[in-house]
Amino acid sequence: ILNVEQSPQSLHVQEGDSTNFTCSFPSSNFYALHWYRWETAKSPEALFVMTLNGDEKKKGRISATLNTKEGYSYLYIKGSQPEDSATYLCAFGNEKLTFGTGTRLTIIP
Amino acid sequence: DAMVIQNPRYQVTQFGKPVTLSCSQTLNHNVMYWYQQKSSQAPKLLFHYYDKDFNNEADTPDNFQSRRPNTSFCFLDIRSPGLGDAAMYLCATRYSTGLNTEAFFGQGTRLTVV
Repeated sequence: ILNVEQSPQSLHVQEGDSTNFTCSFPSSNFYALHWYRWETAKSPEALFVMTLNGDEKKKGRISATLNTKEGYSYLYIKGSQPEDSATYLCAFGNEKLTFGTGTRLTIIP
Repeated sequence: DAMVIQNPRYQVTQFGKPVTLSCSQTLNHNVMYWYQQKSSQAPKLLFHYYDKDFNNEADTPDNFQSRRPNTSFCFLDIRSPGLGDAAMYLCATRYSTGLNTEAFFGQGTRLTVV
C-alpha cells in the first residue's frame, strides 16, 4: 500500500504572505508526482507533473520542488491572494495515482 | 468548456436502492478513473479503465461496479448503497499514462444515502 502524506492538513495565511506545504511519498520505485488545486465547487486542476529528481517547476506565483531520493515535494505560493484559497492535493504513481489527503489553504484578506 | 462532465452533481438515494453515476469526456482520453472521497480523507481509487481493460482495486467492495460502453462514457453503479457509501465521487481521465500526463477531473458527484 502506497502512503502519500501531506502536511499541514490546513493552513490560514494572511493575504500577501508566502507559504509552503509538503507532500511525502515512497522514495522507492518513483514514477511521477502530481500537484492539483481543488477549489470549492470546481474540478481539481493540475498544477504540475514532476518526474525528475531536483526538478523545480513554476506557474506564476506557484512553484514546486521535487526530491525523489528522500521522497518529498514542496509547493510554494508567493504573495498569497484570496483566489489561492483551495485544497492542494498531491498524487504519486504511474498508471494508478495515489492521492494524499490534501492541504486546505485559506487566505485571509 | 468542461471537458469531463459528471452527472448529476448531487445525488440523494435511499439505503439499498441502486444508483448510477455517469461521467463523460470530450478529450478522447483512453484512461478513465473513478475515485471515492470521504470527508477529510484522500481520494481513493475504486477502479480504472485503460482503453477497454478494466482494473479493479483489490479493496473495492463488490457493491461497486463500472461500465465503459465507449471511449467517451463511463458509469459507476452502486448496487445497494449503504450509509457508508455517502461520499464525493470523482471521475478523471488521462491520455495514456506516460510520466508527464496530467489527469483531468470532473466536478464530482456528491452522493447522499438516506
